Amino acid sequence: AQSVTQPDIHITVSEGASLELRCNYSYGATPYLFWYVQSPGQGLQLLLKYFSGDTLVQGIKGFEAEFKRSQSSFNLRKPSVHWSDAAEYFCAVGANTGGFKTIFGAGTRLFVKA
Amino acid sequence: EPEVTQTPSHQVTQMGQEVILRCVPISNHLYFYWYRQILGQKVEFLVSFYNNEISEKSEIFDDQFSVERPDGSNFTLKIRSTKLEDSAMYFCASMGTSGNPVFGPGTRLTVL
Repeated sequence: AQSVTQPDIHITVSEGASLELRCNYSYGATPYLFWYVQSPGQGLQLLLKYFSGDTLVQGIKGFEAEFKRSQSSFNLRKPSVHWSDAAEYFCAVGANTGGFKTIFGAGTRLFVKA
Repeated sequence: EPEVTQTPSHQVTQMGQEVILRCVPISNHLYFYWYRQILGQKVEFLVSFYNNEISEKSEIFDDQFSVERPDGSNFTLKIRSTKLEDSAMYFCASMGTSGNPVFGPGTRLTVL
């Protein structure tokens, strides 16, 4: 069955430090992969997506993610975190299960300390 | 850039009442979805809709739920008799042929 695992429930980093949020997926075919960010009480904002091609994808707000097929991973990175990056981050896979749907991970809450 | 819109942004209802959540998908999209996010939890798939019929639904989407595309522009989710556990944020999404769903801003449903 298709699934997405985000092993870290929450992460705290200092402002200006680098960030890596982990994501592993389980899907039989070549996946469509997404990272979304959600501020409290708000909707889902797409940070970046991977469909095919270059395995390092660039997104908005200085984020990037690398698709590693051998590890079934799609980790999100940012070289220097800003206080405004504090939010919940969801990794997701687009799965074709008869119809196409998006399967989300449980999310990682990012805290940024001054 | 085209957006998915949802109304209302917040709906408060009494347990047992019917609610209808409305969505306007992107005009040339063909696939439509509803997702649910209970406070503090992950986003869960409810139902997908294509060619005027449900293409897939989750175990959450029981007989209390229904979807409709009444006029070619709106896409609605109806909950017939709301329960306390239906309190959640409900996201509509639509998708064209790209495989890239576009999510709406959500409707927060509070059942008292």
